[in-house]
This record gives sequence, structure tokens and C-alpha cells, in this order.
Amino acid sequence: TQLLEQSPQFLSIQEGENLTVYCNSSSVFSSLQWYRQEPGEGPVLLVTVVTGGEVKKLKRLTFQFGDARKDSSLHITAAQPGDTGLYLCAGVDTGNQFYFGTGTSLTVIP
Amino acid sequence: DTEVTQTPKHLVMGMTNKKSLKCEQHMGHRAMYWYKQKAKKPPELMFVYSYEKLSINESVPSRFSPECPNSSLLNLHLHALQPEDSALYLCASSLTPSGVIGDTQYFGPGTRLTVL
Repeated sequence: TQLLEQSPQFLSIQEGENLTVYCNSSSVFSSLQWYRQEPGEGPVLLVTVVTGGEVKKLKRLTFQFGDARKDSSLHITAAQPGDTGLYLCAGVDTGNQFYFGTGTSLTVIP
Repeated sequence: DTEVTQTPKHLVMGMTNKKSLKCEQHMGHRAMYWYKQKAKKPPELMFVYSYEKLSINESVPSRFSPECPNSSLLNLHLHALQPEDSALYLCASSLTPSGVIGDTQYFGPGTRLTVL
């Protein structure tokens, strides 16, 4: 059973478009992280959110943690080819177990 | 500094070889992890060390043998691997003092392993 489901699984868009990636669960998480991973490299931490309803911005990236702390979203404005990669959400549930999401592979076409 | 280093970057080995992967962090983190990752899939947890002691083994075959010589170093010894073991092997660390997986993890760049 996969605790954290991401959608979409694959996404291919043109440079300049906006996109949103979703990370959903039926379980409550005490914290949630988003990572970006480029091919052949390790995941790089983008953000950690801990408070229900929290919104964090990182340049063109906006992260939101759901009010009930069961879901999160990542919105990218004006996507660039450098945003290409595998986006992974990951969470720590209330039992202190860590889970990765199923992943979203993003390709931004110049 | 949130750096986790891994060596080698790439490794090609035969099914009868013995090799080791190395991981190092100097952030004072007390939990360290090994993951296996196939292309475009999320990492799969293999082992967790907390305070240099093995706390979690996710039913990994014995041809993978982890070792934690001290709080900064983590090794993964490989012996008699199979071609299906080819993958990106990632090391991570977190501050968590209690050994429970419950803190933000920082990842190394990985070792790309190919088993012939």
C-alpha cells in the first residue's frame, strides 16, 4: 500500500507554462518534504512544511500543506528547462514513519 | 553545510566481485540510511543506522551487508550481486537522535551500480 500518491505520474510541458503536482494521502503527516532529483543525482530537499495550511514560496515554486495535513501541492510558475526532474514528496506520519511519494517526472521542453 | 558525499560515483562489477560503497557526512547527524532506486521510481529503503547501530533492515538479501564504523561513515559491502541489483544506491542522513525515522533526510549524489 502506497501511503503517498502523487499525480500526475508524468508531465511534459512547454517552457513558460504553469503546472501543479499533487501529493495525497488518507493519513495525517506531522511534516512533509518536497525533493527534486535530476537524473543520476540524489534527491535535493526543496522545502519542509509542518503546519496545516502552511504556504511556502521558493522563487517560482509554491508549496502548500493541506489544512488537515493529509495532502500537499507544488505549483511551478513559468516553468523552465532547468525545472526538469523527478519531484518527490515525502512525509513523516504521526507514528514517526517516513514515506516517499510515488514521484512525478517533469519534462520542460524549451 | 548539508552535504552527504558518496563514493564511487559509478561502479561496474561482475557477479563474483566484492565491492564496497562509501558514504560520509559531517553534519553531526545520528541516523544514516541506504536506499536503492530504479529509474523514475521513488527510493526504496534498505537499511537504517541510528547511533551506529542497525535499527532497520527492510528484508534486504544478505549479498548486501551494511557497516557503520563511526557516526560519520556508512558503508555498503556488496558480494555476489545479480544483474537485477543494478540501480542507483543512495545514502542519506538525518538529525534524529532516537533512531526512529522522523526527521528531514539529506541525500548524497548516489552511486550508479551496474552488475554484469
